Amino acid sequence: ILNVEQSPQSLHVQEGDSTNFTCSFPSSNFYALHWYRWETAKSPEALFVMTLNGDEKKKGRISATLNTKEGYSYLYIKGSQPEDSATYLCACFSGSARQLTFGSGTQLTVLP
Amino acid sequence: NAGVTQTPKFRILKIGQSMTLQCAQDMNHNYMYWYRQDPGMGLKLIYYSVGAGITDKGEVPNGYNVSRSTTEDFPLRLELAAPSQTSVYFCASRSDHRSPLHFGNGTRLTVT
Repeated sequence: ILNVEQSPQSLHVQEGDSTNFTCSFPSSNFYALHWYRWETAKSPEALFVMTLNGDEKKKGRISATLNTKEGYSYLYIKGSQPEDSATYLCACFSGSARQLTFGSGTQLTVLP
Repeated sequence: NAGVTQTPKFRILKIGQSMTLQCAQDMNHNYMYWYRQDPGMGLKLIYYSVGAGITDKGEVPNGYNVSRSTTEDFPLRLELAAPSQTSVYFCASRSDHRSPLHFGNGTRLTVT
């Protein structure tokens, strides 16, 4: 079982602020890193899947980077909006590439 | 496409009762997963399958069983329900190891 950690656990920001969260994972036998956005009372939706060291992905105001050598990924949100309020989950795929281990998530609240 | 369909959406069980949570996907995905969501703990993997006829235990398999007789269906069986199994259960699927997970809408189960 992998140890996938996310920080901070929760975060409150003002509308318009930019913010970022961290996901750390074991760097050995790394295969892929996933980010998901999970709104209350809904199911998680995929944001990014990254596999290569140095990968950077972007979707609108949200972007992510990956460092597989040191075992971390950052998720950035530029100009946060209230609709960005959600829990952001990262998940790591490694070893046999059959199991995806999730972190506990970062709960973001964007205040209007 | 319906994607990943879970039934039922809600269920209340008495201790010791049994039930099957249904999951079906119409995307011809080989990989299917069952997760449970525990407060503050993110998603924990119960069982997974890499194809019809193949299943394997995840992180928290005790008290559950699965089968995968077809590519489309991956039911989760609770034989003797216990209060510790009160949770929200998510089924997910993906096509290959580079693809993100597609989640169902979840089943909220209460055992009293």
